[in-house]
Amino acid sequence: GAGVSQSPSNKVTEKGKDVELRCDPISGHTALYWYRQSLGQGLEFLIYFQGNSAPDKSGLPSDRFSAERTGGSVSTLTIQRTQQEDSAVYLCASSLVQGGRHEQYFGPGTRLTVT
Amino acid sequence: AQKVTQAQTEISVVEKEDVTLDCVYETRDTTYYLFWYKQPPSGELVFLIRRNSFDEQNEISGRYSWNFQKSTSSFNFTITASQVVDSAVYFCALSEAVGNKLVFGAGTILRVKS
Repeated sequence: GAGVSQSPSNKVTEKGKDVELRCDPISGHTALYWYRQSLGQGLEFLIYFQGNSAPDKSGLPSDRFSAERTGGSVSTLTIQRTQQEDSAVYLCASSLVQGGRHEQYFGPGTRLTVT
Repeated sequence: AQKVTQAQTEISVVEKEDVTLDCVYETRDTTYYLFWYKQPPSGELVFLIRRNSFDEQNEISGRYSWNFQKSTSSFNFTITASQVVDSAVYFCALSEAVGNKLVFGAGTILRVKS
């Protein structure tokens, strides 16, 4: 079946602008995660959504970052007033979390460049 | 606090050699989950294996095998008879609960030369 998809694949923005990154999880997966990957910081957890529970936002680096998940499916990660240190690849993953299956499947990522 | 250490930054081998990637983890929980992911040059993270802390059986899948040892907090990954297509960055990761966030190691770059 279809995997996790993310859009756009690349985004170049000017410092100070807001950006929205989109994630479409695997159909039927109840959990959705955002991570980012940068040279200096490796793979870092940002936020995750599990069913109807309150999201775990413990990894968001500042209040400029927010995310929502609509209808238990698509998620949008928003970065306000982007800074150069926000440049990274933003990865989305989803997981079934039932029947002993809780491995996370990743999308191709969105490469964000802040100039 | 959770932590995953992959001490090998980069490994280079010649095709058909066996290679072991090391992973050492730290956690206060008695139940936890360990994972290996592969990130080929294309960039997409590919799930390889999940191991539960209460199941210490080692696992073999084709040329891949995993050695989980709770006594040393290690979850090492061996590729037998390596191939050029195995060239990638390999990440070990830890989760402290079902469906919880993953904490990743820094990754090991594996280069397999023909």
